[in-house]
Amino acid sequence: DTGVSQNPRHKITKRGQNVTFRCDPISEHNRLYWYRQTLGQGPEFLTYFQNEAQLEKSRLLSDRFSAERPKGSFSTLEIQRTEQGDSAMYLCASSPSALSYNEQFFGPGTRLTVL
Amino acid sequence: KQEVTQIPAALSVPEGENLVLNCSFTDSAIYNLQWFRQDPGKGLTSLLLIQSSQREQTSGRLNASLDKSSGRSTLYIAASQPGDSATYLCAVTNRDDKIIFGKGTRLHILP
Repeated sequence: DTGVSQNPRHKITKRGQNVTFRCDPISEHNRLYWYRQTLGQGPEFLTYFQNEAQLEKSRLLSDRFSAERPKGSFSTLEIQRTEQGDSAMYLCASSPSALSYNEQFFGPGTRLTVL
Repeated sequence: KQEVTQIPAALSVPEGENLVLNCSFTDSAIYNLQWFRQDPGKGLTSLLLIQSSQREQTSGRLNASLDKSSGRSTLYIAASQPGDSATYLCAVTNRDDKIIFGKGTRLHILP
């Protein structure tokens, strides 16, 4: 399968714990995006990378959130000191180049539940 | 600020009927518009992508149109089937490289 993969698919954690999610984009896709989707809402943009450079972060991305893409391939999204409001589906997408009109391909998502 | 609205929020139709889902957006300066399907608890499956210079795209029983000047798109599903039941999301790619999604239309096809 050469699509976007995300791990884990589900994560249940207690409030205050740290969690880390991983996204593996389609091979050689330069752009990688993170989105968050809460129940009954559409996905909302969090941040994106062009290769290893993080180009933009949404105001939704508080200082408890950090994302990296160290070698321009896979990316991680870490949430520190999780809160119940962080419960959501975290989606990753990749696209083949810097051209904004390129289609984004989405992974299956990681569903986070904070108890 | 770009806003994407989808109407209706939910729709139930008998199997075999044709149906139309609507999407509107406030800023016409977009690169493209996409329609996605999302099954409960799952990720997004891209159905159709319409570049800003295009008027429509077709894939099988699906047809999506784009009227950029009026800020509207429709997704037409022909001969609906129970397997079409899902949430359908409309999304536009802005000139600032962000994708803005609507809240989706929950579609239920009655057998």
